[in-house]
Amino acid sequence: GDSVTQMEGPVTLSEEAFLTINCTYTATGYPSLFWYVQYPGEGLQLLLKATKADDKGSNKGFEATYRKETTSFHLEKGSVQVSDSAVYFCALRSLSGGYQKVTFGIGTKLQVIP
Amino acid sequence: GAVVSQHPSWVICKSGTSVKIECRSLDFQATTMFWYRQFPKQSLMLMATSNEGSKATYEQGVEKDKFLINHASLTLSTLTVTSAHPEDSSFYICSATATGPNEKLFFGSGTQLSVL
Repeated sequence: GDSVTQMEGPVTLSEEAFLTINCTYTATGYPSLFWYVQYPGEGLQLLLKATKADDKGSNKGFEATYRKETTSFHLEKGSVQVSDSAVYFCALRSLSGGYQKVTFGIGTKLQVIP
Repeated sequence: GAVVSQHPSWVICKSGTSVKIECRSLDFQATTMFWYRQFPKQSLMLMATSNEGSKATYEQGVEKDKFLINHASLTLSTLTVTSAHPEDSSFYICSATATGPNEKLFFGSGTQLSVL
């Protein structure tokens, strides 16, 4: 079945540091890939997505590129801010048996310190 | 933007009682809703997929009679945990999407269930 593996946190960075959160997946077919973010006390929000190989999703300074050859979708940001402190979930969406299915990674907690 | 409201945000109940969790899409018609549960330090695990007006499709290992899902309208899905036991204590979260495979998913804020 489908699966998503992402690095386990917590990740602690100083403000303006470079961020990478690794995510790899296994899936049949051609899934869409997502990064979701959960800020403290809030629900999950879509951060960015990519629907086919070599697509780059970007939002709020975050980027991730759909790499089919390495089955990866690593999240990056050049300069993190304290406000980026949250839990980040990598996910894939596939069609199975005619309906949608979403599989999440474990979530990576990011803490940015001033 | 689209919002999904999930209620209650937390609930404590006695063993043997039933608990209902509601998931509402506030400004769009949710043709498909998903229910997940998350144990501490584990990933969100899909429990079931429900399409409006039809029976829910449950993932392997999820008891249909224990976790009753109703998706009677395009804006409301409910998950009822029947005869809850302490091992059912978990974080439950719903998500909703409109028609089409590439539509966004919107998530509720989750429900923390504690069964005593």
